[in-house]
Amino acid sequence: DAEITQSPRHKITETGRQVTLACHQTWNHNNMFWYRQDLGHGLRLIHYSYGVQDTNKGEVSDGYSVSRSNTEDLPLTLESAASSQTSVYFCASSERLAGAGDTQYFGPGTRLTVL
Amino acid sequence: AQSVTQLGSHVSVSEGALVLLRCNYSSSVPPYLFWYVQYPNQGLQLLLKYTTGATLVKGINGFEAEFKKSETSFHLTKPSAHMSDAAEYFCAVNRQGGKLIFGQGTELSVKP
Repeated sequence: DAEITQSPRHKITETGRQVTLACHQTWNHNNMFWYRQDLGHGLRLIHYSYGVQDTNKGEVSDGYSVSRSNTEDLPLTLESAASSQTSVYFCASSERLAGAGDTQYFGPGTRLTVL
Repeated sequence: AQSVTQLGSHVSVSEGALVLLRCNYSSSVPPYLFWYVQYPNQGLQLLLKYTTGATLVKGINGFEAEFKKSETSFHLTKPSAHMSDAAEYFCAVNRQGGKLIFGQGTELSVKP
């Protein structure tokens, strides 16, 4: 069955370190998204991609970057981790190119703690 | 601009009672509306969605929601709560380009 996976599931790091969170989907979806989930804020969009070599900033992109070298993967990099980036991170994907109403399929999440 | 408001961050019901989770939205374009459920330590799973057509939408696990344009609402209901329904529920509305805006979430507790 097609799926979307994230790794690691849990990560503890120190402030100032670079961290990369992996996201891999086997749906062959063009669209991929990264969100962070914080209490009282729901899910907020960090970055998204509509295809290979395409990346775009979401509403909370400062301190994060992504790259899309193939259809299946969209790694999220924290350039210099800060305590404010302690959160749960979710990756999602959807099928149609920029199509509204598409269902987004979510990975299981990565819990990141920055000490 | 689009936004979503979920009324009540915590809702508690007894097993067998009606579940009502409220969602109001604002949108400058025809809205597509979604309800997702998140079980503890898991990702989000689609419960149901409204795109076009019938305004009463049925989803998985006995949930349904009604799109009411005049009230800008998309409330989620289930006639009889089950212990397994305890989870966090998110309402979301589409933005341009297939992006979603999520509400803050409502945690549903089910008492035996």
